[in-house]
Amino acid sequence: DGGITQSPKYLFRKEGQNVTLSCEQNLNHDAMYWYRQDPGQGLRLIYYSQIVNDFQKGDIAEGYSVSREKKESFPLTVTSAQKNPTAFYLCASSISQNQPQHFGDGTRLSIL
Amino acid sequence: QKEVEQDPGPLSVPEGAIVSLNCTYSNSAFQYFMWYRQYSRKGPELLMYTYSSGNKEDGRFTAQVDKSSKYISLFIRDSQPSDSATYLCAIFSGGYQKVTFGTGTKLQVIP
Repeated sequence: DGGITQSPKYLFRKEGQNVTLSCEQNLNHDAMYWYRQDPGQGLRLIYYSQIVNDFQKGDIAEGYSVSREKKESFPLTVTSAQKNPTAFYLCASSISQNQPQHFGDGTRLSIL
Repeated sequence: QKEVEQDPGPLSVPEGAIVSLNCTYSNSAFQYFMWYRQYSRKGPELLMYTYSSGNKEDGRFTAQVDKSSKYISLFIRDSQPSDSATYLCAIFSGGYQKVTFGTGTKLQVIP
C-alpha cells in the first residue's frame, strides 16, 4: 500500500539530547513537509523540501534540522536547542508543492 | 486577525443529523481549499479538495466555497458515530505558497 510511514509513534527525549524522527513515503511525491501540532493551534510548518538535496525553513525552524538525501525520506532532528519540543509531529508529502498534502500518522515527542 | 478562523467546538450532534463545519479566511488570494479529518492520535486524512466557488460533493460530504464572503463549509449528511473526529480546513493561494490550516473543529456524533 502506498503511504507515508512515520516512526517511532512515541519518543522520549532527555534534556540536552538530540532525537531524530523518521518519515518515509512510497508515493513518489517530490515535496515533503514537517509540521508541529499543539493543542488549540493549527499545524505549524517546520521545514519543507520541494526536491532531493534541497529544503527550506518554515515558520518555526529554530531548534530543528532536516535532510533530504533520498526522494522517499525526510528525517527531522529535534535538537537540544528546541526548548519546548513536546508536541505531535506530522510529516506530509505532495506530488508538488501546489497540490494537496497527504499525512503520516505522526510521532508524539515528550520530555523525560 | 488570523488568516484562517475555525470554531474549535466541540460540536455534538445525534446520529443521522446534518453537520455543518465552517471556516472564514482573510486573504482574498487564497484559491485552493481542503478539508481534512483527523482521528485521535492519527494524522489528518484528506477529505475534499476544491479550487472554485460553489459546491463539490463526494458521498455524504459536500464542500462549499464562497469566495466573495471568504467562507468555506463542509456538510456531512446522515452523520455516523464513525464521523466523530476533528475536522481541519486548509487553504492556500497556489504558486508554491504554504498551506494555512485552521485549528480544527472537534465533532462528536452520538448514537
